[in-house]
Amino acid sequence: EIVMTQSPATLSVSPGERATLSCRASQSVSSNLAWYQQKPGQAPRLLIYGASTRATGIPARFSGSGSGTEFTLTISSLQSEDFAVYYCHQYNNWPSPFTFGPGTKVDIK
Amino acid sequence: EVQLVQSGAEVKKPGESLKISCKGSGYSFTSYWIGWVRQMPGKGLEWMGIFYPGDSDTRYSPSFQGQVTISADKSISTAYLQWSSLKASDTAMYYCARLTSQEGVDYWGQGTLVTVSS
Repeated sequence: EIVMTQSPATLSVSPGERATLSCRASQSVSSNLAWYQQKPGQAPRLLIYGASTRATGIPARFSGSGSGTEFTLTISSLQSEDFAVYYCHQYNNWPSPFTFGPGTKVDIK
Repeated sequence: EVQLVQSGAEVKKPGESLKISCKGSGYSFTSYWIGWVRQMPGKGLEWMGIFYPGDSDTRYSPSFQGQVTISADKSISTAYLQWSSLKASDTAMYYCARLTSQEGVDYWGQGTLVTVSS
């Protein structure tokens, strides 16, 4: 099973600042990597797929990069609505098994 | 519009059985894999397994093999997650999710909260 790790576990950021979240896979997942945002009491929402493609309706301040085993989600200028938990997800071994990272919580500094 | 609508919250006792549902609409139900994801209180997301309604192909994550059963009734575009004997440790939010090979999960259900307590 591919193990996903995320760092940091918690990121404290001021509104308007840049946030950089990291995700690492225990073996290559090519570009089969997605990022999801989850707010309290809500289902996750797809932000980025294919490592770098924004999903429909996702603001341009969200960007993804990386391939293989190292990936990054960048939020260029944090808005109040961006404070949430972010999960990376590999779906390389189609159609299974898939794995999520443990999440990074972005909170207000 | 693609929608996944899950059944409502459940409160059960240990040892009881349970089947929760996820109804898909706005797309061809038999053409996409559907998965189930567990989120225990205050914790992260865990894949339980996935199901392809087109041919009933089912894949379970190792941690959940033998613990739950995933199925679907394609005549009513509904997927199911079933337990034969619940434990307190099954208390969690359960999400269904539509999968594609390009996007991973592109749509999520709203979640079903299962509480198991004596």
